[in-house]
Amino acid sequence: GENVEQHPSTLSVQEGDSAVIKCTYSDSASNYFPWYKQELGKGPQLIIDIRSNVGEKKDQRIAVTLNKTAKHFSLHITETQPEDSAVYFCAASSGGSEKLVFGKGTKLTVNP
Amino acid sequence: KAGVTQTPRYLIKTRGQQVTLSCSPISGHRSVSWYQQTPGQGLQFLFEYFSETQRNKGNFPGRFSGRQFSNSRSEMNVSTLELGDSALYLCASSPATGPYGYTFGSGTRLTVV
Repeated sequence: GENVEQHPSTLSVQEGDSAVIKCTYSDSASNYFPWYKQELGKGPQLIIDIRSNVGEKKDQRIAVTLNKTAKHFSLHITETQPEDSAVYFCAASSGGSEKLVFGKGTKLTVNP
Repeated sequence: KAGVTQTPRYLIKTRGQQVTLSCSPISGHRSVSWYQQTPGQGLQFLFEYFSETQRNKGNFPGRFSGRQFSNSRSEMNVSTLELGDSALYLCASSPATGPYGYTFGSGTRLTVV
């Protein structure tokens, strides 16, 4: 089955810097790659997603890139702010699968 | 519009008991999926329901079951609780079958003592 690995597990940056989180997946049939942000006491919130027919997607300060050949995808957050501090999860889903397989999460801390 | 509502938010149960958790999806969403979140295993898929039918099931024992009603509300049940069942149980709704555009609820924190 699908396996998703996420790095790093913790990331600390200064406000205004960029943050990059990387994930690799094992199933070449995977075609949907969402990213979620989870704040304390809340459920995961979808922040951006990408399908396998697209190499890059951007939404304001957040971007995701996908390399299908290498089977990895990354989340880029620019101009980080303290409110970006949270746990971020990547996930992957294969076509026809009704489930997501999640990475273990990255705890991002943005220091003022 | 109202989000995904999970009740109760917190629950403490004793080993051997059973528990029922409830999830009300966003209005108009017909798919409800359940995930278990623990510090050790992370987020793991339990099952998905669409139009009252279970579409897919994860690798959990038969003690974990669920159902969906005609108004798309879903319940999951865990029987004969074990200490290892302590977790945050999350439900996610989406407009159609599949994990596209999940909206998660805030979860039910289950503690088994």
